[in-house]
Formats: sequence, structure tokens, C-alpha cells
Amino acid sequence: DAKTTQPPSMDCAEGRAANLPCNHSTISGNEYVYWYRQIHSQGPQYIIHGLKNNETNEMASLIITEDRKSSTLILPHATLRDTAVYYCIVRVAVGGTSYGKLTFGQGTILTVHP
Amino acid sequence: DGGITQSPKYLFRKEGQNVTLSCEQNLNHDAMYWYRQDPGQGLRLIYYSQIVNDFQKGDIAEGYSVSREKKESFPLTVTSAQKNPTAFYLCASRGQGATEAFFGQGTRLTVV
Repeated sequence: DAKTTQPPSMDCAEGRAANLPCNHSTISGNEYVYWYRQIHSQGPQYIIHGLKNNETNEMASLIITEDRKSSTLILPHATLRDTAVYYCIVRVAVGGTSYGKLTFGQGTILTVHP
Repeated sequence: DGGITQSPKYLFRKEGQNVTLSCEQNLNHDAMYWYRQDPGQGLRLIYYSQIVNDFQKGDIAEGYSVSREKKESFPLTVTSAQKNPTAFYLCASRGQGATEAFFGQGTRLTVV
């Protein structure tokens, strides 16, 4: 799996957009970018994933650069409840029984301020 | 409801004792994973299983053991050989294709 690099921490004002970057310069053509977040003392929660195109769901938007070497998770209107650790990982989507490792890095601690 | 369940939420054990953490899923997922998380740190992979009766070591498997006798269950045993077992343990499962992993709520193990 490709390694990812994220800033250790970021701050954001409540109501503003939070833009969380992730570098994955060694990503392979068949690897997806996934984002999860973990609120203190809970299990991580899936947010969004994508391969090439930008993606949007009810939680966030994912912008992937054309060369796929980096991506940005956007929380359009951050709230205090969005304070969490955000993990960016890359993973091959496979079928059959070949799942392989699912490796997380250190993530980015996002703190949303009033 | 479909999901992944870890039990118990908190667990205390004396040093030198083996302890088994439970992880059950009813999502019909083939792959299951165990992670360890220390305070202020990310998730580190202990073991993972891609199919029943098969499992592979992750990055920090020493002092741990697992079994996968049923698709729904992937218990983790923390043995007395694990030098620093106090941690937060998370279990996850994943289905085929470009699907996300689902996590349990974790078990916080304290060894005294």
C-alpha cells in the first residue's frame, strides 16, 4: 500500500471550511484514497473515498489532483463536533479473497474553534 | 442491526495473564483486522484475516495470537509475552470491492 503523509494538526473556525491535505506520491493506478475520522475513544468512522474523480457526499468532499499524488478532504461548514483525528489511507479495491493490509498513519488532529 | 461488536468495552487483567478480546460482525465481511492504539498515536495493525481459517501478521504481531474459525468472529488473545499490553484495541471488517472498513467501538485493556 502507498504511504500517506498528513500534517499532524490543523485548526479551523466553526462555520468555515476545513481543508485537510494528504500526500500520496507513490500511489498506484488501482489504489483508492479513503478518508476516516476518529473521535476520541471511539472507533474510526468512514467519511469518503475516491479513485480519480472528485467525490462528494453528505459529510464531505474529496478533491484528488490530476496526477493523483495528493488529495484534500473538505468539510464545507465545520462544527465543533468535527473535532477529531482524520486519517487518509490508500488501498487497492480488490475482489475475491485478496484484501491485504489496511494500514493507517498518524492522521491529522483537526480542532474546530468556536 | 448490522455491525461489528467488540466486547467488553473495558477490561482489567493482572500482569502475566492471557486475555482474549472478542470481535463479532454480522456484515458478511470476509476480511477482519485488529489494531492497537496508544495514547496520542495512530492505529497499528496487529493481525488481519482475509478468509476463514487464514490470518496474517501485521506490523506488531509479537505477543498476540488470533483465530478465525468462523466468518463472523475474529478473537484476539493478548498473551503474557506482550511486554506492554495496556492499550486501546480496535477491530475492523471489510467487504469486497471499493468498500469501506467498519470499526467496532474498541476495548480498552488495562494490565495492572
